[in-house]
Amino acid sequence: GAGVSQSPSNKVTEKGKDVELRCDPISGHTALYWYRQSLGQGLEFLIYFQGNSAPDKSGLPSDRFSAERTGGSVSTLTIQRTQQEDSAVYLCASSHQWGQGPDTQYFGPGTRLTVL
Amino acid sequence: AQKITQTQPGMFVQEKEAVTLDCTYDTSDPSYGLFWYKQPSSGEMIFLIYQGSYDQQNATEGRYSLNFQKARKSANLVISASQLGDSAMYFCAMRESPASNDYKLSFGAGTTVTVRA
Repeated sequence: GAGVSQSPSNKVTEKGKDVELRCDPISGHTALYWYRQSLGQGLEFLIYFQGNSAPDKSGLPSDRFSAERTGGSVSTLTIQRTQQEDSAVYLCASSHQWGQGPDTQYFGPGTRLTVL
Repeated sequence: AQKITQTQPGMFVQEKEAVTLDCTYDTSDPSYGLFWYKQPSSGEMIFLIYQGSYDQQNATEGRYSLNFQKARKSANLVISASQLGDSAMYFCAMRESPASNDYKLSFGAGTTVTVRA
């Protein structure tokens, strides 16, 4: 079946602009996660969705970062007033909910964000 | 505190030989899951193998096996009969139980494996 998809695959933006990153999880996966991977920082957790709610936003680095999920499916990560330190690969993953199937997280191909 | 430690930044292995990638973890949660992912130069994170904390046997998946030593809190990945396509970054990750209100994966720093012909 189809895996996790993300768009765009690459995004170059100017400092101060807003960007939206999209994630389409595996069909039937109710849990969705955003991570960030940057040089020197490794993989950092950003936010977790269960259905449309986000019980864990602890990894969002600042209030410039927000995310939503609608219809229990597609999620959008928005970064406002981008800064150069936001440059990274943003990875989305999805899984079954704990206790409702194997909860292995499957990752999308990522969005490479470059802030000039 | 670091939850996952991978002490080998990079490793070289000859084609057709086996290689062991080290991973130690730190948790007080009795219920947890350990995962290994492969990230080739293309960037995608590919799930390889899973070991649950209550699993009695070491996990195996094709050429991948996990050497799980619970008392030592280690979960080393063994890749047998290495192939050129195994050249990639490998990440060890842990997920603790929802009882700890923690649903995310915690990742190690990764180990780069280069397979030589």
